[in-house]
Amino acid sequence: DAGVIQSPRHEVTEMGQEVTLRCKPISGHDYLFWYRQTMMRGLELLIYFNNNVPIDDSGMPEDRFSAKMPNASFSTLKIQPSEPRDSAVYFCASSLGGGLNTGELFFGEGSRLTVL
Amino acid sequence: KNQVEQSPQSLIILEGKNCTLQCNYTVSPFSNLRWYKQDTGRGPVSLTIMTFSENTKSNGRYTATLDADTKQSSLHITASQLSDSASYICVVSAQAGTALIFGKGTTLSVSS
Repeated sequence: DAGVIQSPRHEVTEMGQEVTLRCKPISGHDYLFWYRQTMMRGLELLIYFNNNVPIDDSGMPEDRFSAKMPNASFSTLKIQPSEPRDSAVYFCASSLGGGLNTGELFFGEGSRLTVL
Repeated sequence: KNQVEQSPQSLIILEGKNCTLQCNYTVSPFSNLRWYKQDTGRGPVSLTIMTFSENTKSNGRYTATLDADTKQSSLHITASQLSDSASYICVVSAQAGTALIFGKGTTLSVSS
């Protein structure tokens, strides 16, 4: 398997623009997670899905952030409008069964977002 | 409050030397503890996962230990290599249904 695939790897945009990050989880995995990583705060969970259904979005910082998972092989994280403080690396991860805490997480390579 | 603290924040060692990274947690009730390695510009990769009943687990030159009584874990790297230069992240989970709690990581630099 190719692993978790994220795109784009790098995104530079101007404040106020819409940003869409994409993720393809490992085939057969039933959990998908979106994380944000910064130097100050480390890795933070934004939202996670189980069988394409959002389960916990309490980590989404503001209404400017939204995530969808229209099918088992694709998810998006959208920021509209973007702000400089959204600059971070966004990771998608997937896991198979066992619930949130027992399944091994497989991370993508991340999308580095810079908002000017 | 559930927290994971790692020390040191950063570490520089010479190639071939051993080192130990520390992780203290206050997560309760405890389910499992994981160590991840994150190379610069890459996503984290799992090294070990330990449950309450396990007190040591090895993955090649990496050995993780867990003391659930004192809520401490360590990651020991033997005979370090340049490729071990990375950030090492300790992650603790409470019982099923709650979020993983991430430490901020220890940045290891191995120099020749």
